[in-house]
Amino acid sequence: DARVTQTPRHKVTEMGQEVTMRCQPILGHNTVFWYRQTMMQGLELLAYFRNRAPLDDSGMPKDRFSAEMPDATLATLKIQPSEPRDSAVYFCASGARGRLAFFGQGTRLTVV
Amino acid sequence: AQSVTQPDIHITVSEGASLELRCNYSYGATPYLFWYVQSPGQGLQLLLKYFSGDTLVQGIKGFEAEFKRSQSSFNLRKPSVHWSDAAEYFCAALHTGGFKTIFGAGTRLFVKA
Repeated sequence: DARVTQTPRHKVTEMGQEVTMRCQPILGHNTVFWYRQTMMQGLELLAYFRNRAPLDDSGMPKDRFSAEMPDATLATLKIQPSEPRDSAVYFCASGARGRLAFFGQGTRLTVV
Repeated sequence: AQSVTQPDIHITVSEGASLELRCNYSYGATPYLFWYVQSPGQGLQLLLKYFSGDTLVQGIKGFEAEFKRSQSSFNLRKPSVHWSDAAEYFCAALHTGGFKTIFGAGTRLFVKA
């Protein structure tokens, strides 16, 4: 049963600390998305990778957020330094041929 | 600007009753259209999608959706709701040739016995 795997599922951290979220896309999918979900803003696209290259990260606060795909089986989203307003659920999703298909279960981040 | 609107923040239906969740889109051309369901603490699961062709689309879990170009709508339906259908439902759209899927704000479905 193919699925997108995200780790950790939950993360509580103190303001100012670095947070790294990881995503393993479905094998063979060449497209990876990072979304953030909050009650106020709903689902926001943070970054989009195709064939490991970042094609759009305009939704990410550049000063503190960074997204990378070191290889085809791993995507990372890093926040440094973290702030309380970053508290949200972060979803990774993958797909083929540039289209979003499957979501991971998300990482619930709480910054205190 | 491209947008997806789900007019109902929440809906309550009785188990066994029929369901319709509304979705309207605003795009220059007809986009690809999707419905997702999200259970508490879970990611979004794709229920169905419309790319072209038959305007009535069948999905998983007994759901269907009808695309109406004249109304810019893509409403989700189910003839008989089960308690396990209680969840949040998201309509989404993707510009053909684009990559940025835009999601509606979601409709939370409550099912009463």
